[in-house]
Amino acid sequence: GQQVMQIPQYQHVQEGEDFTTYCNSSTTLSNIQWYKQRPGGHPVFLIQLVKSGEVKKQKRLTFQFGEAKKNSSLHITATQTTDVGTYFCAGRRGGKLIFGQGTELSVKP
Amino acid sequence: NAGVTQTPKFQVLKTGQSMTLQCAQDMNHNSMYWYRQDPGMGLRLIYYSASEGTTDKGEVPNGYNVSRLNKREFSLRLESAAPSQTSVYFCASSARGGWDTDTQYFGPGTRLTVL
Repeated sequence: GQQVMQIPQYQHVQEGEDFTTYCNSSTTLSNIQWYKQRPGGHPVFLIQLVKSGEVKKQKRLTFQFGEAKKNSSLHITATQTTDVGTYFCAGRRGGKLIFGQGTELSVKP
Repeated sequence: NAGVTQTPKFQVLKTGQSMTLQCAQDMNHNSMYWYRQDPGMGLRLIYYSASEGTTDKGEVPNGYNVSRLNKREFSLRLESAAPSQTSVYFCASSARGGWDTDTQYFGPGTRLTVL
């Protein structure tokens, strides 16, 4: 069964609002990756976090890895219509990469 | 570079029919993977090949077989398709062998419907 839980499943925001998706694992992860999938497209790698408490930024996107390496979050500041898509976290544990269910983001202009 | 390519893009099968999904990468990657994507389920690993000549089961291997034909190509076969195999199938590759901390590059996907 699914071992990396991601919430929420859907998020609808007005353009300019912020957005956050959360990823949780019951066990410690070696690292975590984030991917974005545009509607009708394929997942594209965004970033990887490895260290406990790590924070990385890519323009309006902020990624965090929890201190216990069991959770992670992706925060988008001031969403734009180009941010539309599904965001997946993928946790690496015991040599395997486990994907969360994804959070589908829609942005109303 | 084309990256990861998959054929076909779309396919409709009848229950019991067989077919092979093809995947190729031109990035000289060691590892290749097959995932299926269903609504609300994320990406689930079917099979993977850590390096040429090796294949291993993932989370949902039942009803599928794979062949790592060479370093470039990794095919997925459905011997007797079932409606439960209706899904979008993604092939992916990564540079290093095994499950090292590296990026996975995905193909465009195959949308399969089994009637």
